Amino acid sequence: GAVVSQHPSWVICKSGTSVKIECRSLDFQATTMFWYRQFPKQSLMLMATSNEGSKATYEQGVEKDKFLINHASLTLSTLTVTSAHPEDSSFYICSGLRDSQYNEQFFGPGTRLTVL
Amino acid sequence: GQQLNQSPQSMFIQEGEDVSMNCTSSSIFNTWLWYKQEPGEGPVLLIALYKAGELTSNGRLTAQFGITRKDSFLNISASIPSDVGIYFCAGVLSSNTGKLIFGQGTTLQVKP
Repeated sequence: GAVVSQHPSWVICKSGTSVKIECRSLDFQATTMFWYRQFPKQSLMLMATSNEGSKATYEQGVEKDKFLINHASLTLSTLTVTSAHPEDSSFYICSGLRDSQYNEQFFGPGTRLTVL
Repeated sequence: GQQLNQSPQSMFIQEGEDVSMNCTSSSIFNTWLWYKQEPGEGPVLLIALYKAGELTSNGRLTAQFGITRKDSFLNISASIPSDVGIYFCAGVLSSNTGKLIFGQGTTLQVKP
């Protein structure tokens, strides 16, 4: 199967600090990775598309200066939530696109961010 | 914007019963995917559909890609307690980007 890991699985931070979340594809190379956020009892909302070696593409309404994405290798993408505030508290999930021909996305286990 | 309408929103069934859920859209999709998400976890891919009319099974799960390319359904036969979770449909609008549009989810609860 296709395995994606995320680290950390949960994080609690103070308001105003920055938090970095890592997303790794463990058994496949992912030229494209995606970052989602999910609020309780809601569906996944796409935040941005992360492409290896190029700038991320952000969805409408997502602040690129607040949610910094770096896709430095074919197996690693990072999301940094800068100057986090309580309203940024959410479940952040990444996914890797294993095969662009078949559009199969495989998701990480998610990171629970709580900003105090 | 594009939306997927997934129904029902929730289901509470007896163990052994069959389950059916579906997604519809006003847009045409090239690919339909069905995922299951358990609390505190990321979604897990169950079935992927690539052609209109395609019917695909994965164990007790069966899914179909509607012939109009605007809908899909997922059936679960002989449900068991471990089927509990939230099921999401997702459509791929553009093969160039691989971006997914998700349905609102169907919460399934199974009574032993």
